[in-house]
Amino acid sequence: KAGVTQTPRYLIKTRGQQVTLSCSPISGHRSVSWYQQTPGQGLQFLFEYFSETQRNKGNFPGRFSGRQFSNSRSEMNVSTLELGDSALYLCASSLDLDGTEAFFGQGTRLTVV
Amino acid sequence: DAKTTQPTSMDCAEGRAANLPCNHSTISGNEYVYWYRQIHSQGPQYIIHGLKNNETNEMASLIITEDRKSSTLILPHATLRDTAVYYCIVRPSYNFNKFYFGSGTKLNVKP
Repeated sequence: KAGVTQTPRYLIKTRGQQVTLSCSPISGHRSVSWYQQTPGQGLQFLFEYFSETQRNKGNFPGRFSGRQFSNSRSEMNVSTLELGDSALYLCASSLDLDGTEAFFGQGTRLTVV
Repeated sequence: DAKTTQPTSMDCAEGRAANLPCNHSTISGNEYVYWYRQIHSQGPQYIIHGLKNNETNEMASLIITEDRKSSTLILPHATLRDTAVYYCIVRPSYNFNKFYFGSGTKLNVKP
């Protein structure tokens, strides 16, 4: 079956702009989470969605937001982009059962110039 | 919040077993041990996970000590394609999709 799909794979934006990234989870998976990966901070948890509701949130400013649709697809939005937002943004999906693994997409590489 | 300690890097000869240790001395009873790896600029790849018992799948074996304070990931016959950063993560059973990644171990498989 198809894996986690993230679009676009690469993106270049200018400071001050906003950006929307998309994640389609594995079919049947109901939980989607987002992570930011930078060389300096490593992989950091952004937020998690389940049944269109945000269930967990990491320590990121309000410029970072997300949502989940009824088909479990998720989007994350970053407003007023800063240079430091340049990162690989990863999405993971899971069945949302105790002790199950999460599967990651290939990520969206965002560069802010 | 990573709650795990791993060596920064390790070398392994191709064809030999790679044993990657992880310390998670503060693990609590409802936390699973997960292993993921990340090959440069790709998304993390699930390897294996366990709660108390040792686990084996087609990729690797996971050995968890009886007190659960540490574990070892074993790649039985390392290949050059196993060169990656390996992350050991502990995750409560109730936080289904929230992982705290530490710095991981960079495994260098050498010919």
